[in-house]
Amino acid sequence: EVQLLESGGGLAQPGGSLRLSCAVSGFTFSRYGMSWVRQAPGKGLEWVSSISGSGGSTYYADSVKGRFTISRDKSKNTVYLQMNSLRAEDTAVYYCATVGNWFDPWGQGTLVTVSS
Amino acid sequence: QSALTQPRSVSGSPGQSVTISCTGTSSDVGGYNYVSWYQQHPGKAPKLMIYDVSKRPSGVPDRFSGSKSGNTASLSISGLQAEDEADYYCCSYAVSYTWVFGGGTKLTVL
Repeated sequence: EVQLLESGGGLAQPGGSLRLSCAVSGFTFSRYGMSWVRQAPGKGLEWVSSISGSGGSTYYADSVKGRFTISRDKSKNTVYLQMNSLRAEDTAVYYCATVGNWFDPWGQGTLVTVSS
Repeated sequence: QSALTQPRSVSGSPGQSVTISCTGTSSDVGGYNYVSWYQQHPGKAPKLMIYDVSKRPSGVPDRFSGSKSGNTASLSISGLQAEDEADYYCCSYAVSYTWVFGGGTKLTVL
């Protein structure tokens, strides 16, 4: 069974940092691109970042470019999202998902709250 | 990276059909056949319902169908059931390996 399990969410201060993790099981991790998608409270979905199966290519939404870094560790079957210079508008549930030409499957999400 | 345009809400009675539109540009919806649709119930993760404009993943009822014309994609749901009540999001691949979602449509089954 394919499973994606996010962790690392919590409360951070404006200007602070957090690192999210997404542990993957049930499929060959290195064969698939991975993405992070977020959803602010009561709002819609927003693509944040993607990384290729090899980890050699990364892509970011303009809203997080220069502040967030996506990476993956094939020895741990885990993808990460390092979030620096956090802003109040980064408050959201962050989902990881496998990406091809679509997003599937998804994890259950982890809540990030940026507030002083 | 502007969001795709969806109606805020649609509604229908059980057994009826509804269609949700998703309008983008030639740089996303109109430029690629990589439109997907997601269903999200409150407090749950999104679920893939349609991919590559009109393909259904295994396990998704054939009451759900997708199409595209120009810069507008559509999700149609026939034979509405109570469990179809949810938020629906379209998504399209865009230029330079980026993705854009629609603002979401709340489907109410009356």
